[in-house]
Amino acid sequence: EVQLVESGGGLVQPGGSLRLSCAASGFTFSSYSMNWVRQAPGKGLEWVSYISSSSSTIYYADSVKGRFTISRDNAKNSLYLQMNRLRDEDTAVYYCASRRSGGDYYYGMDVWGQGTTVTVSS
Amino acid sequence: DIQMTQSPSSVSASVGDRVTITCRASQGISSWLAWYQQKPGKAPKLLIYAASSLQSGVPSRFSGSGSGTDFTLTISSLQPEDFATYYCQQTNSFPLTFGGGTKVEIK
Repeated sequence: EVQLVESGGGLVQPGGSLRLSCAASGFTFSSYSMNWVRQAPGKGLEWVSYISSSSSTIYYADSVKGRFTISRDNAKNSLYLQMNRLRDEDTAVYYCASRRSGGDYYYGMDVWGQGTTVTVSS
Repeated sequence: DIQMTQSPSSVSASVGDRVTITCRASQGISSWLAWYQQKPGKAPKLLIYAASSLQSGVPSRFSGSGSGTDFTLTISSLQPEDFATYYCQQTNSFPLTFGGGTKVEIK
C-alpha cells in the first residue's frame, strides 16, 4: 500500500525551529518528486515547497523562502522540512504529497499523507 | 506569481443537482490545472489533472474543462459523499498556487 506518514509537528514559540519528517512506503520513493503543502486553521491550501527526485531542483513559496529548507534521504525513504524562525502565521497542518501515477508536479499530487500539526504560539 | 480565483466560495445544492465551480488564473496556464476535493479533517484528494483528465478511481460524474485562464469543475449529479470543499491548483509554474476553495453544502 502506498503511504506517506508525517511526523514532527508540535507546539513551538515564535522564532523557534522544528523539523518535520515524511516517511514513504509502498513505492520507489527515490523515483518521485515530493512537496510540502500546508493549511492554516479554517483556511485554504498553500503549497510550501518542492524537491525533485534527485534533490537537484528545489522551489519554495515566498512566504517561507530563507526560513524553511526541504531535503530528502532516498536511502531512508524520507522527506524533511526544516523550519526556522517560525512565525504565528506558520501555524498549520503540514502535508507531504507526491505525484506517483505518472508524470510530475504538473499533473497534480495524487498521494498525500495525513498531515502533522504545527502550532506557533507563545 | 499566478493568482487563482475560484467562484463561488460556497454553493448549496441538493442530491442529484448539477454543480459547476469555476476557477480563473491571473495569466494563461495552458491546461496545467488540477482539482482537489477535501473533506473535514482529511487530506485533499486529486480529482482532475491537466484540466480535463480524470484521476484513476474518481467517479465519472466529475469532469473538468477549460484552458488558458478559465476552467470549470462539474459534478453532473451530486451524491451525498460529494459534500466537501473543492480547490483548483495551477501546476504551470512555481510557486504552485491554489484557489481559495469552494464549499459544496447540503441545501
